[in-house]
Amino acid sequence: QVQLVESGGGVVQTGRSLRLSCAASGFTFNNYGMHWVRQAPAKGLEWVAAISSDGGDKSYADSVRGRFTISRDNSRNTLYLIMSSLTVEDAAVYYCAKDPYFGSGHYYYFDYWGQGTLVSVSS
Amino acid sequence: DIQMTQSPSSLSASVGDRVTIACRASQSISTYLNWYQQKPGKAPNLLIYGASSLQSGVPSRFSGSGSGTDFTLTISSLQPEDFATYYCQQSYSAPRTFGQGTKVEIK
Repeated sequence: QVQLVESGGGVVQTGRSLRLSCAASGFTFNNYGMHWVRQAPAKGLEWVAAISSDGGDKSYADSVRGRFTISRDNSRNTLYLIMSSLTVEDAAVYYCAKDPYFGSGHYYYFDYWGQGTLVSVSS
Repeated sequence: DIQMTQSPSSLSASVGDRVTIACRASQSISTYLNWYQQKPGKAPNLLIYGASSLQSGVPSRFSGSGSGTDFTLTISSLQPEDFATYYCQQSYSAPRTFGQGTKVEIK
């Protein structure tokens, strides 16, 4: 069965950096695009970033472009999100999510989600 | 950006009730509309994609309809495990945006 397990969250000061990881199993990782989606405390969902199956195509929400970098290591079945210049507005649970498109494209919806990792930003 | 607006923001219903949640897009999105269920402390779960296609493993009491700008999620007979928050999401254009959520509570 598909499993996505995030890690790397924690408390960080404003302006600092953090790297999130998402370990994938139960499917052929290098055949699917992946996403990060976040949810601020008691708030709604916000798509953050996407990466194609081969890592060659990346896209970002305006709110994080230039500060966050999505990447993947297909040899390790792992997705990453490097977050820099963090602000209090970045505090949220970060979910990795699988795109159901088989191949190098995206459908831009999310058929499997991890359990999330909490990022808290202190000023 | 395409704005997604759900109504109502919350509702109270009883087990066995038929429940309908609406989602309106600020511009036409064809049928690029998806629905998720989220329970407290858990990740969202995909229910419906492409406006009306039922995700594998999702009970048939869930259904979706609509196209263009107006969409609905219907639960034909509410079950105890369906009390949760429901989100719509458009996958038509960047950035792919979510509605604000509809919380379904026990009456």
